[in-house]
Amino acid sequence: EVQLVESGGGLVEPGGSLRLSCVASGFHFSTYAMNWVRQAPGKGLEWVSTIVTGDNALYYDDSVRGRFTISRDNAKDSLYLQMNSLRADDTAVYYCVRYGHGDVPFDYWGQGTVVTVSP
Amino acid sequence: DIQMTQSPSTLSASVGDRVSIACRASHSISSWLAWYQQKPGKAPKLLIYKASILENGVPSRFSGSGSGTEFTLTISSLQPEDFATYYCQQYNNPWTFGQGTKVEIK
Repeated sequence: EVQLVESGGGLVEPGGSLRLSCVASGFHFSTYAMNWVRQAPGKGLEWVSTIVTGDNALYYDDSVRGRFTISRDNAKDSLYLQMNSLRADDTAVYYCVRYGHGDVPFDYWGQGTVVTVSP
Repeated sequence: DIQMTQSPSTLSASVGDRVSIACRASHSISSWLAWYQQKPGKAPKLLIYKASILENGVPSRFSGSGSGTEFTLTISSLQPEDFATYYCQQYNNPWTFGQGTKVEIK
């Protein structure tokens, strides 16, 4: 069974930092691209970042580029999101999401971890 | 970036109704379109990908159609468990979602 378990969320002041983690199980982690998607309270889904396999190319939404860094440790079956210079509008549930193989997009989602940016 | 626009934002329907949700892309995305279902407090679930391919385990009352810039999600006979919010997503890099359509009980 595919499982994605996020951790690391919490309350942080504006300008602060957090590091989110996601531990994967039930599949060959190193062969899948992975993503972070967020959802602000009462709002829709927003893609944040993607890391692919092979060359580990990185992609970011404009709203987080230069502040967030996605990374992975295939030996630990883990995905990370380092978030710096946090702002109030970064407040959201952050989901760790697997990118499927072939034509399949975001096929498995974690339960999410809550990030709140507030004084 | 490609913008995705869903309509309507809210849809009121009854059990057994046939419902359709539209999704429009600001530029052609061929068939790189997915649909997700999200229930309150839960993570989204993939329903359909490549515009019309049903994900494993998704009931056949769900169907998707379209290509280019115009897409539709149809539920042929709404069931109680289908009341939820639905999102379309284009998956040409960068990846963008529609704003969502809430299907509520009439």
